[in-house]
Amino acid sequence: KNEVEQSPQNLTAQEGEFITINCSYSVGISALHWLQQHPGGGIVSLFMLSSGKKKHGRLIATINIQEKHSSLHITASHPRDSAVYTCAAHFGNEKLTFGTGTRLTIIP
Amino acid sequence: ETGVTQTPRHLVMGMTNKKSLKCEQHLGHNAMYWYKQSAKKPLELMFVYNFKEQTENNSVPSRFSPECPNSSHLFLHLHTLQPEDSALYLCASSQALNYGYTFGSGTRLTVV
Repeated sequence: KNEVEQSPQNLTAQEGEFITINCSYSVGISALHWLQQHPGGGIVSLFMLSSGKKKHGRLIATINIQEKHSSLHITASHPRDSAVYTCAAHFGNEKLTFGTGTRLTIIP
Repeated sequence: ETGVTQTPRHLVMGMTNKKSLKCEQHLGHNAMYWYKQSAKKPLELMFVYNFKEQTENNSVPSRFSPECPNSSHLFLHLHTLQPEDSALYLCASSQALNYGYTFGSGTRLTVV
């Protein structure tokens, strides 16, 4: 069965802290997305990974194929990073399977 | 703006009403999707269209009826909905089937 598990479900941190959100999946995947959704806003695909690491500004996404695990890191977090972050996996050529999301709140 | 535009942003409808949700993209994408996002649940895929042809109907009740007249437009026709159908309905498009998604901002639907 294709499953995606995400943790934590909720995360509150002070501005400036280093943030890590984790995603594990059950079987081999062809690609994994990290998605961001601000309150009242649309879903933006931040990264799509099949191996290694991607970086954009203060956001870093990594994936370990052997361990079936991906992480999203935010350095020097800022209140505008407050959003729901979701990982979603392609299993083979099938539709995306989504995690339940992590609600991140950064306090000034 | 993400390039995928959904209208209306908010919709309140009675259980006997008929309404339609609209999605439009001008990204040159060939695949379009309807997703449902209920509170505290993962996104659920409803329908997939690739080159205007429906390739997937994920066991969606017939009170939801999709229409894809061309690769740039996708509709979701709604009739005799139930209160449990209240959710955020998201449209997405992708460069190719299952690759390179862009999501719209969604329509917040409330069924009363």
